[in-house]
Amino acid sequence: QITLKESGPTLVKPTQTLTLTCTLSGLSLSTTGVGVGWIRQPPGKALEWLAIIYWNDDKRYSPSLKSRLTITKDTSKNQVVLTMTNLDPVDTATYYCAHRAHGSASPLDYWGQGTLVTVSS
Amino acid sequence: EIVLTQSPGTLSLSPGERATLSCRASQTLSSNYLAWYQRKPGQAPRLLIYGASSRATGIPDRFSGSGSGTDFTLTISRLEPEDFAVYYCQQYGSSPETFGQGTKVEIK
Repeated sequence: QITLKESGPTLVKPTQTLTLTCTLSGLSLSTTGVGVGWIRQPPGKALEWLAIIYWNDDKRYSPSLKSRLTITKDTSKNQVVLTMTNLDPVDTATYYCAHRAHGSASPLDYWGQGTLVTVSS
Repeated sequence: EIVLTQSPGTLSLSPGERATLSCRASQTLSSNYLAWYQRKPGQAPRLLIYGASSRATGIPDRFSGSGSGTDFTLTISRLEPEDFAVYYCQQYGSSPETFGQGTKVEIK
């Protein structure tokens, strides 16, 4: 059974850096085709795609946030880490990680439960 | 960036009725790489449809997807009580991937 679980701080101050970790079980980040992405949803708003990393370390970022985001993976720990710098209250959202199995031509088939991050002083 | 526009914003229907949700893309989608997700409060999004018309594993056959190019539709043939939720379309054929703004299906 494939599961993903997000972890990280629930409250962050403006201008600080956010580090979120997605821990995967039931799959390997080194399996050909596997990708793990991050998506967020501000309260009352739509889903917003942020970034994705693939088994071969290929990475893609949202152009509007690219300068603030870094996505990495630790295959030995089966974890994907998203770092977002210079946080602002508008970054308050539930952050999800999600899995895809067959490269960029496949949907996000498994999602974590999400973690709510509040940006406030 | 491909913009996805969903309509209507809210659909008020009764259990047993048919729901038709629309997703329009600002440009032709590569190989119809369009997915539909269901989102309920407090739950993670659930993949329903991928490749515009293929049902994901375990999804009831009352859910169906259709369309190509720039116009796509999710149809729920007969609404069950558990189907009242928010539905999002997503294109994953072009980076950056993008989501629509969602359609809420509510009980009338």
